[in-house]
Parts: sequence; structure tokens; C-alpha cells
Amino acid sequence: NAGVMQNPRHLVRRRGQEARLRCSPMKGHSHVYWYRQLPEEGLKFMVYLQKENIIDESGMPKERFSAEFPKEGPSILRIQQVVRGDSAAYFCASSPRDRGASTTTEAFFGQGTRLTVV
Amino acid sequence: KQEVTQIPAALSVPEGENLVLNCSFTDSAIYNLQWFRQDPGKGLTSLLLIQSSQREQTSGRLNASLDKSSGRSTLYIAASQPGDSATYLCAGSGSRLTFGEGTQLTVNP
Repeated sequence: NAGVMQNPRHLVRRRGQEARLRCSPMKGHSHVYWYRQLPEEGLKFMVYLQKENIIDESGMPKERFSAEFPKEGPSILRIQQVVRGDSAAYFCASSPRDRGASTTTEAFFGQGTRLTVV
Repeated sequence: KQEVTQIPAALSVPEGENLVLNCSFTDSAIYNLQWFRQDPGKGLTSLLLIQSSQREQTSGRLNASLDKSSGRSTLYIAASQPGDSATYLCAGSGSRLTFGEGTQLTVNP
């Protein structure tokens, strides 16, 4: 089991460009969570998705950010018209089921994508 | 809304010491609590998961306890080693993990 795979590991974008971050969950996991870690800050929840469904996007900025988890392929976090304040590490986690449905459900994290906006 | 606090923010100890990291949370209706380790520039490694019905979990030199009534969890590291140097994060709640700010641990040789 290769674990949660995120790519790219590092991404540099100029202001105004689009950033696409990919996350392939662990085999057998159908629940994906995205988190953002700003420099010198903690991890903040962004969005929780299941295949083809957004379950909780309460942590997503209202504009420029979107996420999807299609039936086939990785989950994508998309940031349009990036600004310097978007520079951060973006982490993806996966679990085999809803963490809120079972006390035994553990979340596993990828290595993150470090986005730098210049 | 769940809030998680970790104390201390940073800790520096000599090699071989036993140490305790503290985590407190405001909402006792958590499903489970996970402790993670994060190395600089890296992702998060899950260390221990404590179910809400459990009081503690052990893995090697690590022991984590959970007291829902007081809203606290502790991570005990025995016989610390320089390789234990990292940031330790606790996270709880249900579908969406709520993280503390972490404790940055340095173990000096």
C-alpha cells in the first residue's frame, strides 16, 4: 500500500495563475480531507469529500478555491488566480470511511504540496 | 465548535528524559483522538489513535491517554532520543479533524 500520494510536492505559481493539487488516497479509502498549513501556523480543515460528493466545505474560502473527488482518478484541489497569501502547505488525508461514523477510523496523511506564489 | 490547545508550544530536553505533552479540547463529544508527528517540511505521521471509549493506547515508547470528562489527552514519551525531535500534533472530533498548534520537541544529544 503506497499510502496517500500527493503531487506535485512543490509548486511555484505566479500571481494570477491557477494551481492544481492532486491527492490519491490509500487503496480502499473513499474519504478524502484537505487541510492547509500556513507558515508558522497549525493545520486548518478545508474540505471533506467522498467519491463524487462534497460532504463538508465549511473550511474552504468562498472564492477561487474548489475541490472535487471524481469517480475515477485523484482528488483535485484547485486554486484560481492565486495570490501570495495562498502560499502554504496543502495536505490531503484519507480514511476508509467517515471518521465521524466510527471511533476506530484513522486518518492517514500525504506528504503535502508546498505552494509558493511569486 | 471544537477547539484544541497544546501545551507547551516548545520543549527542549536532554536525551534520555521522560516527557509529557499536553492536549486539551473543548468538545467532549469526540469520536476519537489522534496524535501525529510532523518533521520539518514533511507530512504527518499517525502515532496513536485513542477511541472515545478507551483511556489509553501504547506503542513502543509512546503512551497516550484520554480523559473525556476533563477534555484532556497526554502523550508520554519514555527515554527520549534525538530522533524524537519533531512537532507533535493532537487532533480530535468526528469527520473533520481539528488540530492543535502543536508542540515542537527538541531532544538534545
